[in-house]
Amino acid sequence: GAVVSQHPSRVICKSGTSVKIECRSLDFQATTMFWYRQFPKQSLMLMATSNEGSKATYEQGVEKDKFLINHASLTLSTLTVTSAHPEDSSFYICSATLGGLRRYEQYFGPGTRLTVT
Amino acid sequence: DAKTTQPPSMDCAEGRAANLPCNHSTISGNEYVYWYRQIHSQGPQYIIHGLKNNETNEMASLIITEDRKSSTLILPHATLRDTAVYYCIVPYTQGAQKLVFGQGTRLTINP
Repeated sequence: GAVVSQHPSRVICKSGTSVKIECRSLDFQATTMFWYRQFPKQSLMLMATSNEGSKATYEQGVEKDKFLINHASLTLSTLTVTSAHPEDSSFYICSATLGGLRRYEQYFGPGTRLTVT
Repeated sequence: DAKTTQPPSMDCAEGRAANLPCNHSTISGNEYVYWYRQIHSQGPQYIIHGLKNNETNEMASLIITEDRKSSTLILPHATLRDTAVYYCIVPYTQGAQKLVFGQGTRLTINP
């Protein structure tokens, strides 16, 4: 149980275009979803916390107008990288939590590798 | 900022027990210790968590010292597929239930 999927797994886009990444919890309803970014040889960095039906909470230094997060249902959150630039190339990973007593057990998607040319 | 410290890397022979240490000397009484791992180019995977008692599941065992200032994750019979970066995390209990990932321990299982 507790499977999280992401789509696409890889994407290459041209500089200046926008890219949408989907994160789905397949067999559970996720009260909260998280978006992380990981650069090569570095650890995961939390970008934002997303609760269904409300605005995402962004970490310090993350531009909310550049990284648009929509959490329309308990099983789907999307991250849109707007006007992407080469420095946005990274591994983007989402996670979802069951909440309640298991709120720190996060189940991660397989990640999306974004390359901006 | 991470509330834990881990060695940057460790090696272990295949079939042997891998013991990964973690220091969390500032942990407070109601804070749990969580372990995750990340295999190369994949999303992290939850392993186990504990408060003060030792815990065991199908993946690993977690030994927490009596003073709770440190813990050890034990993979009893390591396989090559256990090669990964292992993260020991003490989540912030105030506000959102977010996890802060440090640099973790890069565990290499050698044949």
